Amino acid sequence: NAGVTQTPKFQVLKTGQSMTLQCAQDMNHNSMYWYRQDPGMGLRLIYYSASEGTTDKGEVPNGYNVSRLNKREFSLRLESAAPSQTSVYFCASTDGRTDYNEQFFGPGTRLTVL
Amino acid sequence: GQSLEQPSEVTAVEGAIVQINCTYQTSGFYGLSWYQQHDGGAPTFLSYNGLDGLEETGRFSSFLSRSDSYGYLLLQELQMKDSASYFCAVSPYGNNRLAFGKGNQVVVIP
Repeated sequence: NAGVTQTPKFQVLKTGQSMTLQCAQDMNHNSMYWYRQDPGMGLRLIYYSASEGTTDKGEVPNGYNVSRLNKREFSLRLESAAPSQTSVYFCASTDGRTDYNEQFFGPGTRLTVL
Repeated sequence: GQSLEQPSEVTAVEGAIVQINCTYQTSGFYGLSWYQQHDGGAPTFLSYNGLDGLEETGRFSSFLSRSDSYGYLLLQELQMKDSASYFCAVSPYGNNRLAFGKGNQVVVIP
């Protein structure tokens, strides 16, 4: 099992460019999440998908869109990148069947917006 | 909503014991989780407290007191590989999201 995979690992964008971050999991998990992590800020939830076909906003959704393409894949799109979106982006998944909701994280995408 | 507070950094020598505290404000939740993240790596699950009291997993123990809105992670017999950031997180009622604290960096020195 590969677990949770993310592409790309690194990306540099210019202000105004668009891009899509890809995430896939092979654990047959129902729920998937996108977080951003900035120094000193911990993990902040951007969007999540409780199950295939549903998506909901998290704590910091502005400037992002998501697509739950199927049960395995959950993508994050930046339509017009801004320097404030420079961050490390993590995708995570969970089966959602336990109270403790253990989340499994991908390796992250390090994004710089110039 | 949820609010979790963690102090920022602690340095300790190998073999020592470190306690990382987490205080929270939330209206209702299933339990308190702890995640470890090495520099440049992804967060990984460490432990979970669904009930008040102490849970022990090898060198690591975690504690929860709902009445005090407080929990802690205890790292014993510190090893160099324990140098990492540690995050507490709550699982609020009504959804399967996690709300994370800002994390606490532990630096282990020889």
